[in-house]
Amino acid sequence: DAKTTQPNSMESNEEEPVHLPCNHSTISGTDYIHWYRQLPSQGPEYVIHGLTSNVNNRMASLAIAEDRKSSTLILHRATLRDAAVYYCILSSPTQGGSEKLVFGKGTKLTVNP
Amino acid sequence: GAGVSQSPSNKVTEKGKDVELRCDPISGHTALYWYRQSLGQGLEFLIYFQGNSAPDKSGLPSDRFSAERTGGSVSTLTIQRTQQEDSAVYLCASSFSGGFVAFFGQGTRLTVV
Repeated sequence: DAKTTQPNSMESNEEEPVHLPCNHSTISGTDYIHWYRQLPSQGPEYVIHGLTSNVNNRMASLAIAEDRKSSTLILHRATLRDAAVYYCILSSPTQGGSEKLVFGKGTKLTVNP
Repeated sequence: GAGVSQSPSNKVTEKGKDVELRCDPISGHTALYWYRQSLGQGLEFLIYFQGNSAPDKSGLPSDRFSAERTGGSVSTLTIQRTQQEDSAVYLCASSFSGGFVAFFGQGTRLTVV
């Protein structure tokens, strides 16, 4: 399984942007970059995914480096509800199936009021 | 239901007893995953189903753990002769085949006393 490296923890203030980094220097050509987050006492929830181009959705933006060896999840205006553990995961879809998601330790984001 | 449903939400069992944990995936999702999360730890992959078959059982920690899926829908994770180290939250997720988004249930909190 391709590995990702994330900081153990980060802090942000409410209503400020947050940039969560992820290094994945051994990424393969077929690996997609996925981000999930886990709020306290809940199961993980999907945030965003991408392959090469930057991606935006209602929750966040994903900025992918040109060499794809790193990416950044951007929360444009952090809210208290965004306090969670954020996981950066590499996964390749397989023909007729889905490759499992391998979760690392993630980044624990604290949002200060 | 609209999401992945797991039951029971909480289970307390005595050491040495067998337990069964149930997962109802989202209708139409052919891929199903089981994970477990010990207190304060990340998610540990257990097993992956594609339809009724399990192409990846690599995460099952011992032969006390087994899982089955019937009718390409409901899955049951069985732990025989439970041990205290089996205490964890067991999470189930489902997705479309080759899908990029996995949806997680709220988990079953298992406590072995």
